[in-house]
Amino acid sequence: KAGVTQTPRYLIKTRGQQVTLSCSPISGHRSVSWYQQTPGQGLQFLFEYFSETQRNKGNFPGRFSGRQFSNSRSEMNVSTLELGDSALYLCASSPSGPSYEQYFGPGTRLTVT
Amino acid sequence: TQLLEQSPQFLSIQEGENLTVYCNSSSVFSSLQWYRQEPGEGPVLLVTVVTGGEVKKLKRLTFQFGDARKDSSLHITAAQPGDTGLYLCAGAYNQGGKLIFGQGTELSVKP
Repeated sequence: KAGVTQTPRYLIKTRGQQVTLSCSPISGHRSVSWYQQTPGQGLQFLFEYFSETQRNKGNFPGRFSGRQFSNSRSEMNVSTLELGDSALYLCASSPSGPSYEQYFGPGTRLTVT
Repeated sequence: TQLLEQSPQFLSIQEGENLTVYCNSSSVFSSLQWYRQEPGEGPVLLVTVVTGGEVKKLKRLTFQFGDARKDSSLHITAAQPGDTGLYLCAGAYNQGGKLIFGQGTELSVKP
């Protein structure tokens, strides 16, 4: 099976702009989660979507939003970008099951200038 | 607040040495996972432990889940330069695909 894919891999944006990142999960996986990774804070959970519904949400401001489509593909959007939003954004998909194992994509490196 | 404390944060050893990484929390997890991440890439799942007291082996890596399901350890025997990377533990609760990650252990194995 093909792994999780994320596009774009690299992105440079200016403060105040908005950005949309895309994620295609492993075929058959219905859960998609998003994480932000920075050197100072490590990996932090943003939100999780399951069958087009947000099932879990982390402690991020409302500028961070997401959605999931009927084919399980997901997008996340960040509006009014701030310098502190510079990070590696990781998408992970998960099969159904109690262990919640997650399979990560390569990430999108976002730089805000 | 759900926290996972991982130690040590940095580890630099010589090839052939043994090492142990610890992951501790005051919370009980339904499962705990270990990942390895290389620069510029996403974490790769190494193992999932579910049962308290469970021990799993993956070649030279041994993973243990505490009896109370609050802590875990990763032991590497005879480390090799190819083991270099960021090791992350992550705890899952019974609330869907939300993982709480430890801060990670940056391992460097020198030849």
